Parts: sequence; structure tokens; C-alpha cells
Amino acid sequence: DAKTTQPPSMDCAEGRAANLPCNHSTISGNEYVYWYRQIHSQGPQYIIHGLKNNETNEMASLIITEDRKSSTLILPHATLRDTAVYYCIVRVAGNSGGSNYKLTFGKGTLLTVNP
Amino acid sequence: GAVVSQHPSWVICKSGTSVKIECRSLDFQATTMFWYRQFPKQSLMLMATSNEGSKATYEQGVEKDKFLINHASLTLSTLTVTSAHPEDSSFYICSASKIGSENEKLFFGSGTQLSVL
Repeated sequence: DAKTTQPPSMDCAEGRAANLPCNHSTISGNEYVYWYRQIHSQGPQYIIHGLKNNETNEMASLIITEDRKSSTLILPHATLRDTAVYYCIVRVAGNSGGSNYKLTFGKGTLLTVNP
Repeated sequence: GAVVSQHPSWVICKSGTSVKIECRSLDFQATTMFWYRQFPKQSLMLMATSNEGSKATYEQGVEKDKFLINHASLTLSTLTVTSAHPEDSSFYICSASKIGSENEKLFFGSGTQLSVL
């Protein structure tokens, strides 16, 4: 899987948008960008994923650059409960299972939402 | 969303004993489950890939005889830490991929905190 680069930490004011960047300059054409987050002492939680187009769901938006070498996760109105480590991961697409679809975690970004 | 149940949430054991951790996909079938380990203030490290009906695939540096993995059904995988020692104390997390779903998302259990005395 392609490596990703994220800032180690970020701060955000409660109620404001949190924009978390991720660089994945060696991403391959068949690799998706996934975002997960991990709140302290819990298992990771899926947030969103995408290939080329921008994506939005009830949790966040994902903006992927045209060359796909970087992306930004946007939490539109951050709350205190969004304080967590956010992981950006690239992985091959597919639906047949197997070890090719494992997620390899980097160090992520610790987002701290301040009151 | 799909639910992955992991049990127990925490366990304390004596050095030299074995501990079994269960990972269940509650509302979907998973041919593949993954086991991770996480030390304090570190990221998740993949230990092994568990395939239903076949032997698990271990990552480099992970002892297969120490961390026994069994994936006997499409909804259950177990990790047994054999002859546990204090250095095995860690947060263990499983994840499962929902077969048949496009672009396959992984769903994670809530983790098991193992403390070996």
C-alpha cells in the first residue's frame, strides 16, 4: 500500500470546520483513500472513503485533488467528541476479501477540538 | 452499519497463562478478519490476516506459535495469546471485511486490553 503523510497534531475550535490534510503522492490508480478515526481506547471507526471524486456523508467530506496525490478530510462543525486520532490510509479496491485488502495504519493526526 | 463484537473488553492474567480473544461479525459474513496490536501512544500494528477455513497469514516478526488464530466460521475469529508474558500486555483489536460489499470497508471491534502480571 502507498504511504501517507499526515501532520502529527492539529487543533480546532468547537463549532468550526476541521480540515485534516493527507499526502499520498505514490498512490496507484486502483487505490482508494480511506479515513478512519480512533477515539482513545476504542477501535477505529470508519469515516469515509473515495477514489477520484469528492465524497460527502453524514460525518464528513472528503476532497481529493485532481492528481490524487493528496486529500483533505473536512469535519464541517467539529465538536468535543471529534477529538481523536485520524488516520488516512490508501488501499486497493475490491470485494473479494483476502490479505490484499488489509489496512496499514500510519501515525495519523491527533485532532484536539477545544471549547 | 455493520457491527463487530470483540470479547472480552479487558483481561488481566498471570504470566504463563493463555488468553483467548473472540471477534464476531454480528450482522454480516466475513471471510477475512484482521488482528492488530496497539501499544500506548502508538499506531495500530497488523499482526495477522485470518482467513475462514485456512491458516492465518502472519506479518513479519509475529510468532505464529505464540499468537494462535482460528477462523472457524464466517462470523468468528479467535486470537489466543499463549504463555503470556508482561511484554504481551497491549491493546488487541480485530477487524472484519464484509464480503460482497463494493470497495470493502473494514469494521473494527472495540478492542481488548490485555494486562499480564
